[in-house]
Amino acid sequence: SQTIHQWPATLVQPVGSPLSLECTVEGTSNPNLYWYRQAAGRGLQLLFYSVGIGQISSEVPQNLSASRPQDRQFILSSKKLLLSDSGFYLCAWSLGLAGADTQYFGPGTRLTVL
Amino acid sequence: AQRVTQPEKLLSVFKGAPVELKCNYSYSGSPELFWYVQYSRQRLQLLLRHISRESIKGFTADLNKGETSFHLKKPFAQEEDSAMYYCALRGSGNTPLVFGKGTRLSVIA
Repeated sequence: SQTIHQWPATLVQPVGSPLSLECTVEGTSNPNLYWYRQAAGRGLQLLFYSVGIGQISSEVPQNLSASRPQDRQFILSSKKLLLSDSGFYLCAWSLGLAGADTQYFGPGTRLTVL
Repeated sequence: AQRVTQPEKLLSVFKGAPVELKCNYSYSGSPELFWYVQYSRQRLQLLLRHISRESIKGFTADLNKGETSFHLKKPFAQEEDSAMYYCALRGSGNTPLVFGKGTRLSVIA
């Protein structure tokens, strides 16, 4: 069966520090991968998605970036964190099939920028 | 542009009462609509999708193309239904889901 992992679970970082959040998927090949941010009152905001290694689509311009160095690994990064980057970050995967393509979500990372 | 609107941030109902979580969408083509749910301390997960025409945990949702709506309904709310509910839309092709801002349902005993 397929599983998705995210780490760390929680993170407290000072403003201006770098960020690296990791997401890995097991039990499937060539998944579509997604990064979302869940903030109070703003719902679920899509940040990046990837349909293959090295292919990244950015939905929202900001100081975050994403990379997919391996088929089942998706990394969210920042060189310098802002206060506004605080939030709950969710990674998700799907098979990318037309029709009823279900997205499966990871447990999330709670990021607090102080 | 694809857009999903959930007008209610918070909805409180009594146990046993009917519940309807509203969702309206904006999309020029034929969309696929979904409802996702996040229970306390659990992962966000799929509840149901319109093409399946299924009832999950007593919830149903009908796609109304004329009103561009996909409201989630349940005739008798239970306390375990308390959760955050997100409506989502997927356009044509291999595109990601677009989510609404979510509605928190609170079922009061």
